[in-house]
Amino acid sequence: NAGVTQTPKFQVLKTGQSMTLQCAQDMNHEYMSWYRQDPGMGLRLIHYSVGAGITDQGEVPNGYNVSRSTTEDFPLRLLSAAPSQTSVYFCAIRRGRNTDTQYFGPGTRLTVL
Amino acid sequence: AQTVTQSQPEMSVQEAETVTLSCTYDTSENNYYLFWYKQPPSRQMILVIRQEAYKQQNATENRFSVNFQKAAKSFSLKISDSQLGDTAMYFCAFMKQNQGAQKLVFGQGTRLTINP
Repeated sequence: NAGVTQTPKFQVLKTGQSMTLQCAQDMNHEYMSWYRQDPGMGLRLIHYSVGAGITDQGEVPNGYNVSRSTTEDFPLRLLSAAPSQTSVYFCAIRRGRNTDTQYFGPGTRLTVL
Repeated sequence: AQTVTQSQPEMSVQEAETVTLSCTYDTSENNYYLFWYKQPPSRQMILVIRQEAYKQQNATENRFSVNFQKAAKSFSLKISDSQLGDTAMYFCAFMKQNQGAQKLVFGQGTRLTINP
C-alpha cells in the first residue's frame, strides 16, 4: 500500500450525516491527494495537498473539505453526506518533489443511504 | 482539458497469450507523463508502468511494455506471456508535467480476464 493507510475500510452513512475519512503516511511525503472511484469509472481527483498547510481543489471538490495540519495526515471530511457520494475513496502520495508517480492506499468503500 | 479514452471495456485471453490494451488521450501539452495502473479484485491500485512524453523509447517492465505514439496520442499496453494473476481492471492515466498540481486523469478502464 505504498506506506499509506486509510481508515475505515468500509462505512455506511445515512443522508445528511458527516464523517471523516482518514489517510496517513509515515514517510514524510509532501504530496498527498484524494480520489474517488465510481462504479465503472476511473478515479477522479477531489482535493490535493503539496505540503502541510497547503491544499487545493481537484476536479470534483463539492461536498468535501480537507486540511493538512501535519505532513503525516490528510483527512477528507464529508460535511453532509449524499447518495451521490457513494463511492470508493483512495488516498495517494507522491514520493518526493521531483517524482511524478502517485501510489495509492487501499481505499475506503463508502455507501450513503 | 485532458481526456483519456480506453475503447475496450472488456478483453479476455488464454493464459500465456499476449494481449494489448488500447489507450488514447487528448491534450495540448507537450510535456506530460502516462501511466498504466492495475486494479485487481482486491481494489488496490497498483502501478504497472510509466512513460515520460519526452522519451521516445518505449517503457518496459518485465512482461509489460508500452507502445507510445506521441503524434497519434496513443499509449497501448502489451502484456506478454499472460498469467492468471494479470486478471484485473487496467486504467490508463495522464498527468501534466507540473510540480504543483498532481492531477491524474484516468480512462474508464478495461476489464481483462486471463483464462486457464
